[in-house]
Formats: sequence, C-alpha cells, structure tokens
Amino acid sequence: SQQGEEDPQALSIQEGENATMNCSYKTSINNLQWYRQNSGRGLVHLILIRSNEREKHSGRLRVTLDTSKKSSSLLITASRAADTASYFCATDVGSNFGNEKLTFGTGTRLTIIP
Amino acid sequence: NAGVTQTPKFQVLKTGQSMTLQCAQDMNHEYMSWYRQDPGMGLRLIHYSVGAGITDQGEVPNGYNVSRSTTEDFPLRLLSAAPSQTSVYFCASRRGAISGNTIYFGEGSWLTVV
Repeated sequence: SQQGEEDPQALSIQEGENATMNCSYKTSINNLQWYRQNSGRGLVHLILIRSNEREKHSGRLRVTLDTSKKSSSLLITASRAADTASYFCATDVGSNFGNEKLTFGTGTRLTIIP
Repeated sequence: NAGVTQTPKFQVLKTGQSMTLQCAQDMNHEYMSWYRQDPGMGLRLIHYSVGAGITDQGEVPNGYNVSRSTTEDFPLRLLSAAPSQTSVYFCASRRGAISGNTIYFGEGSWLTVV
C-alpha cells in the first residue's frame, strides 16, 4: 500500500467552512509536503514541514505533523470555491544526493459548495 | 519563464508503438523526474535525474527509458507501448538535489494505449 494515505478520500463542505485532510505514513521521514491539483492540471506545491517541526502556517493553510503517530493534517480555513481540487501529501525519506524518495498518497478530493 | 513544459498534451498509441514524451524546464534545475498518475494510485516515480548525464530508476521504471543530455531536457521514451501504460504522465523539476526544495510540475501528458 502507499507510504502516504490521505483521509478522507472525498470531502464536500460549504464555502466559508474549514476543511481538514489527514495523511498517514509508514516509515520515518525527512519531511512531508502537501500539493494541490486542479482538475486536468499539474500538481502545485503548497507547503513543506520538516520532521523536526510540529506545525506550520502559510496564509489560510495550517499543517501539523505528529511523527510519533506518523500522521499529518492539512487545514484550510475559510474555504473558497477556488479551493476545489485534489490534495496530496508526499513523504520524503531520502536526503542524500541523488536519492529521490518522494512518495505520494492517493489524494483527497475537496469540493467547496458555493 | 515557462517553468516545466511537456509535450504532447494528449496522445493515442497502438500497442507496440514507441514514442517519446518531451519535457523541458527553463529554471536551470539540476533535478528532473517523471511520474505517472493512475486512478486510486497517487503519483509513482518512473525515472529521475540529478544532472546532465546522470539518470536513475524510480519505483516503476519497466518499459520506459530516459536520457539527460542537457540540463534543460529530460525526455521519456516508451519502447513498446502496452495498455498498462495508459496513464497521465507528469514531468517535474527542482533546484539542486537536496530534499525539501520545491518541486515544480508540468501540466501533464495524457497517454492512451489501445
């Protein structure tokens, strides 16, 4: 199964509400990243949290990391219609030169209802 | 600054045909990679490169070839297309080979093998 698995697979909320997505992983990581993908488009990097960090903010985004539970959450506050997209977590277990170990989860499909 | 550019956007191949997906980046990034995205599977790494002349296999390399003759270009070759290679392919790049640098994705190439 995937190193990173998002939960829930799909989420629908009213515009203005907060959206929370979770990511669980299996092995120790160097960092965890969240990406957004609009339908038919490429992935866009949102935020990165390192293994020695517990919480990080970027605008309306808040990411937490609990390495003891091997889990992360992405909170989007005051959601907007433009936030409708799929969100992926990606775990990075490699830090050596040439050692690419970025593994993506299967994503959460977020729909914001106007 | 175009970022990461992939061509073609859409392609239909017959089983056994070969083709090359093109990827170019204009950010002078050392690291480039190819992923495939299948429903319910997340993104899986096919091949990657940490610089011109250096390539390595990712998670699902079988049936694909890559080369990196220049910093800018990283083509992905399908040697003998199979229906199992029907997927969306994403090229990505990042500065340096250090874990944690932002990864930039292309817009994707939709490939159907019949």
